Amino acid sequence: AQKITQTQPGMFVQEKEAVTLDCTYDTSDPSYGLFWYKQPSSGEMIFLIYQGSYDQQNATEGRYSLNFQKARKSANLVISASQLGDSAMYFCAMRGGATNKLIFGTGTLLAVQP
Amino acid sequence: NAGVMQNPRHLVRRRGQEARLRCSPMKGHSHVYWYRQLPEEGLKFMVYLQKENIIDESGMPKERFSAEFPKEGPSILRIQQVVRGDSAAYFCASSPLTETNTEAFFGQGTRLTVV
Repeated sequence: AQKITQTQPGMFVQEKEAVTLDCTYDTSDPSYGLFWYKQPSSGEMIFLIYQGSYDQQNATEGRYSLNFQKARKSANLVISASQLGDSAMYFCAMRGGATNKLIFGTGTLLAVQP
Repeated sequence: NAGVMQNPRHLVRRRGQEARLRCSPMKGHSHVYWYRQLPEEGLKFMVYLQKENIIDESGMPKERFSAEFPKEGPSILRIQQVVRGDSAAYFCASSPLTETNTEAFFGQGTRLTVV
């Protein structure tokens, strides 16, 4: 069975600092995709970044980068130069398995402090 | 290209009534997911549908809940005889393909309140 684990219920970071949000996963499939979504207080789900299981390089999208360590089954999100608008809930997700369904972790609430 | 459209945005039902939640996927998307989010919690997978076909319903409660995605029209999540514990935000997401590298695009959610 597939599983996504986010062990940090909440995180604080100072504005302009970098922050790492942890995500570990469990799957026996060789092919899978890893995603990060942001959910601000308004409630919508915003796609941030994607990493494929066969990708050799870590994904980057602007201030977001994904620290993919396949052997450790971790896919941590790094946000550089945090901004107040980054305060939100962040969800790690994985797509794979027999039906390629998309499953989510429990999320990390990030608070950026001025 | 309109995004994923969910309606209603807010729905209030009395205990025992039926709730119908609608989801129109993005144009060209043939795959739909439904998730439930309880307050202060993550998104729980409920069901994964392709047009006229249920791909994975392993997250659906055994009773009172059903979902469909007909050939024409939106996907519908139906909750019969609602109870207070059904109060949650229900999100729909769509994707064009079932490949592992395809992200899902989310609607704004329907907030169901059972009184």
